[in-house]
Amino acid sequence: DTGVSQNPRHKITKRGQNVTFRCDPISEHNRLYWYRQTLGQGPEFLTYFQNEAQLEKSRLLSDRFSAERPKGSFSTLEIQRTEQGDSAMYLCASSLSLLWNSPLHFGNGTRLTVT
Amino acid sequence: DAKTTQPPSMDCAEGRAANLPCNHSTISGNEYVYWYRQIHSQGPQYIIHGLKNNETNEMASLIITEDRKSSTLILPHATLRDTAVYYCIVRVNTGANSKLTFGKGITLSVRP
Repeated sequence: DTGVSQNPRHKITKRGQNVTFRCDPISEHNRLYWYRQTLGQGPEFLTYFQNEAQLEKSRLLSDRFSAERPKGSFSTLEIQRTEQGDSAMYLCASSLSLLWNSPLHFGNGTRLTVT
Repeated sequence: DAKTTQPPSMDCAEGRAANLPCNHSTISGNEYVYWYRQIHSQGPQYIIHGLKNNETNEMASLIITEDRKSSTLILPHATLRDTAVYYCIVRVNTGANSKLTFGKGITLSVRP
């Protein structure tokens, strides 16, 4: 399968712990996006990268959140000192920037539960 | 990006066409209309997008009105597996602003 891959699929952690999620985009897709989705809501944009450069960050991305894409391929999203309000599905998507209207392709997400 | 308005839910019978409406009255000339769907516990799935002409692919058809203020996604022969939340999104395509902004979408229930 050559789609967007996210690991782990599920993560349960205790409040105050740090967690890290990984996203592997579709190969040759140079744009990578992170979204968060809570129950009953549509996905909310967090941040995106073009190659290794982080070009936009949402105000939702507090200072406890950090995303990296060191070599312009896979990306990691880390949440430090997790809170119960961080419980959500974290989605990753990728696209090609060569075409202005290139659609985003999403992975199946990492579901985080903070107890 | 312009906002979209969708009814919260609709249903249709299996085998019939499902016509999902979307209003985007403030759409700008350089904004595309995108449709995604999300089946429970999965990520959003890209369906189709268009600028002003009608578009068709193996999944669906997209009909955009001449004034571009509304559109309809058509699933020609709905199946039970088409039960999902469908998102209509308007996206401006510039290099600096490529993200999608999701609303709450419309929940389509396909009944046997």
